[in-house]
Amino acid sequence: AQRVTQPEKLLSVFKGAPVELKCNYSYSGSPELFWYVQYSRQRLQLLLRHISRESIKGFTADLNKGETSFHLKKPFAQEEDSAMYYCALIAASGSARQLTFGSGTQLTVLP
Amino acid sequence: DTGVSQNPRHKITKRGQNVTFRCDPISEHNRLYWYRQTLGQGPEFLTYFQNEAQLEKSRLLSDRFSAERPKGSFSTLEIQRTEQGDSAMYLCASSLGTQYFGPGTRLLVL
Repeated sequence: AQRVTQPEKLLSVFKGAPVELKCNYSYSGSPELFWYVQYSRQRLQLLLRHISRESIKGFTADLNKGETSFHLKKPFAQEEDSAMYYCALIAASGSARQLTFGSGTQLTVLP
Repeated sequence: DTGVSQNPRHKITKRGQNVTFRCDPISEHNRLYWYRQTLGQGPEFLTYFQNEAQLEKSRLLSDRFSAERPKGSFSTLEIQRTEQGDSAMYLCASSLGTQYFGPGTRLLVL
């Protein structure tokens, strides 16, 4: 069975500093990886997915199959980036394509 | 608002009572998911519908849980004989590809 691990429950950085949220996964096939974000009092929403290879709100994430990682990075954090971030995976083998989530990292960007 | 909606947003019930939650997906989305999220954890998959057919259920979905999507539009999730361990946020998502989440229903079982 697949598993997603986010080792940091809490992460604080100062505004303008680089930020990296770690995500590791275990899955024997080729997964699809996602980052979802939940701002205060808002619903969970997609931030980015590895197949798009895009940068959203200055965030990027690269899938490293050798290290089975999908870390989220931003070179200069902003206060509005403060939120809960979830890494998630869809297993290639499943027809339902349900998401398997990590336990989340609460990012706080300090002024 | 054309996003996924869920009702009620909050529910407090006594142990042993039955509760029912409703999810209205984005109108053209044929896929619908239910997830459960407990404190400090990410959402966990419960069940999946494609149109009106319930095609997959997690082993988390005990016999006390039942979900329906009778006309392939809205869905209901019923929990019978609630237990304190059922206290959680219940999330619905709909999809054509990307999953869009509703605001959730927070259940507290006393």
